[in-house]
Amino acid sequence: DTTVKQNPRYKLARVGKPVNLICSQTMNHDTMYWYQKKPNQAPKLLLFYYDKILNREADTFEKFQSSRPNNSFCSLYIGSAGLEYSAMYLCASSRGTVNQDTQYFGPGTRLLVL
Amino acid sequence: AQSVTQPDARVTVSEGASLQLRCKYSYFGTPYLFWYVQYPRQGLQLLLKYYPGDPVVQGVNGFEAEFSKSNSSFHLRKASVHWSDWAVYFCAVSMGTGGYKVVFGSGTRLLVSP
Repeated sequence: DTTVKQNPRYKLARVGKPVNLICSQTMNHDTMYWYQKKPNQAPKLLLFYYDKILNREADTFEKFQSSRPNNSFCSLYIGSAGLEYSAMYLCASSRGTVNQDTQYFGPGTRLLVL
Repeated sequence: AQSVTQPDARVTVSEGASLQLRCKYSYFGTPYLFWYVQYPRQGLQLLLKYYPGDPVVQGVNGFEAEFSKSNSSFHLRKASVHWSDWAVYFCAVSMGTGGYKVVFGSGTRLLVSP
């Protein structure tokens, strides 16, 4: 089973309110990623966990938090949503972090901030 | 800076016709290259991947891609398009030691006409 699951599939949030998105995988992958995708743009890496170590991209460091309570689950947390956070959020996992590892993606969570 | 360019945001092909989706990358070093496909309401799925070796890579569903170092390209091809190929196609390059960071292109939407 190469399924990555994401919940919820759609999320409506108010400006200034927190948002928590959930991702799970049962492939025992070491690495889990979160991407942000806006229409007609490339998926943008926000952060990833390798095992228990969190790595956040420099330009989104303060905007997103994450936790990984166990190997299977990973969350993405926005403390105070702004209109610019409206996007599709893609979760992915891979066996490791070597160059040729395939990333397996979930179906995404579409976040709309009003 | 490393980048991936997919110059065609949208391509329309008649069913049964051949297909080429273009991808140009910018990376100083040995690239690992991927094509992912996103079908409607699904997550990104790997079509094929290249790592140093034979420049022509075979993928699933009759897709293949050819790596050209001289042209910094990794174009995707298919001899005969089927209506089920209607999707968005993303080219990506894996970069750096550790290889965790995959830089995606903005995608090409393939429309298949009857």
